[in-house]
Amino acid sequence: DVKVTQSSRYLVKRTGEKVFLECVQDMDHENMFWYRQDPGLGLRLIYFSYDVKMKEKGDIPEGYSVSREKKERFSLILESASTNQTSMYLCASSLAKNIQYFGAGTRLSVL
Amino acid sequence: GIQVEQSPPDLILQEGANSTLRCNFSDSVNNLQWFHQNPWGQLINLFYIPSGTKQNGRLSATTVATERYSLLYISSSQTTDSGVYFCAVDRHVRFGAGTRLTVKP
Repeated sequence: DVKVTQSSRYLVKRTGEKVFLECVQDMDHENMFWYRQDPGLGLRLIYFSYDVKMKEKGDIPEGYSVSREKKERFSLILESASTNQTSMYLCASSLAKNIQYFGAGTRLSVL
Repeated sequence: GIQVEQSPPDLILQEGANSTLRCNFSDSVNNLQWFHQNPWGQLINLFYIPSGTKQNGRLSATTVATERYSLLYISSSQTTDSGVYFCAVDRHVRFGAGTRLTVKP
């Protein structure tokens, strides 16, 4: 079975802190994604990576950056966390033109 | 970017009933998926269906790419089918707002 693992299930941070969310997949997938999910807004794409060191902005990249140094790992970075970044963050991976597998999510609270 | 609209936004069914969920999209796509998000938040892929029809047990899906819509059919619904159903399109896998399904015993 494909496994997408997110490093934390729950995270509480303070405003202004630098926050790292880690995602690891074990199926050699080229594509990896970061979304945030907020009530009433569905899932919104933050960043997408289609290969090591490659990235594309999604619909809401402001305030976020990403890193993909190895194929299996895709990190989301909040350079200076703000309260409006309190959300559920979901990581996913896929082969090109194929089904997408999701991690369990990280619920981030920024106080 | 491409727009994805799902209908209805909410659906309440009695156990055993059938239902049809719809996904409309604003441009041609070569990637369309249906997902179920369970009450614990886990997203599970149901179908990868950029065109044609697929069936998996009580669930089936049809995508008519030329007319820019996809349908998800749930037959003989069970309480475990409750949750939110999403369609997602495009290489960036853009999601619709979802249909919240509640199946009552």
